Amino acid sequence: DQQVKQNSPSLSVQEGRISILNCDYTNSMFDYFLWYKKYPAEGPTFLISISSIKDKNEDGRFTVFLNKSAKHLSLHIVPSQPGDSAVYFCAASAVDSSYKLIFGSGTRLLVRP
Amino acid sequence: DGGITQSPKYLFRKEGQNVTLSCEQNLNHDAMYWYRQDPGQGLRLIYYSQIVNDFQKGDIAEGYSVSREKKESFPLTVTSAQKNPTAFYLCASSLDGSRANYGYTFGSGTRLTVV
Repeated sequence: DQQVKQNSPSLSVQEGRISILNCDYTNSMFDYFLWYKKYPAEGPTFLISISSIKDKNEDGRFTVFLNKSAKHLSLHIVPSQPGDSAVYFCAASAVDSSYKLIFGSGTRLLVRP
Repeated sequence: DGGITQSPKYLFRKEGQNVTLSCEQNLNHDAMYWYRQDPGQGLRLIYYSQIVNDFQKGDIAEGYSVSREKKESFPLTVTSAQKNPTAFYLCASSLDGSRANYGYTFGSGTRLTVV
């Protein structure tokens, strides 16, 4: 029973264009969402987060959008750069078990020069 | 520089053996976690510890054991009871175990292969 789903295992975009990575969740108790970036043979690194009281959070080239009614969030990277090529994990935490992050299966992004 | 150190990076284990994966942090974080990553799956929580001398089972604790005798250290033992131990293991920490919203800091992982 996957509570956090990333249905696209991979995504390929041209350098300079927008990358949109999607994430769906099923647990209505989730109130905080995070995106992590992972390079091969390394641990994930925190990228950006959003609280359920917001619908958008921006940090430089990265913007996360949250649609609570659809239980959907997305990560936009504009403009995409070759160094953004990595696996991106969506994660969520619930108000009643906030110590614990539930991760999606990841989306591998390839940015072509 | 503060961070989390996992060792070894690669580990080979014979069937029926127990192995221990090391995780050390110098971030002064209270909470520590062990996750497992398998191909095509998200990171799944094995064990977590919010304070020293206390730890709790995660979603897939069977066949694993941990200890938290020091704030800096959270070793994971993969026992012979774990039926499918080949995976990539990630250790993480967070400042405050009561709210993971500040984001975890991850180690670089240990790849365990059963031969």
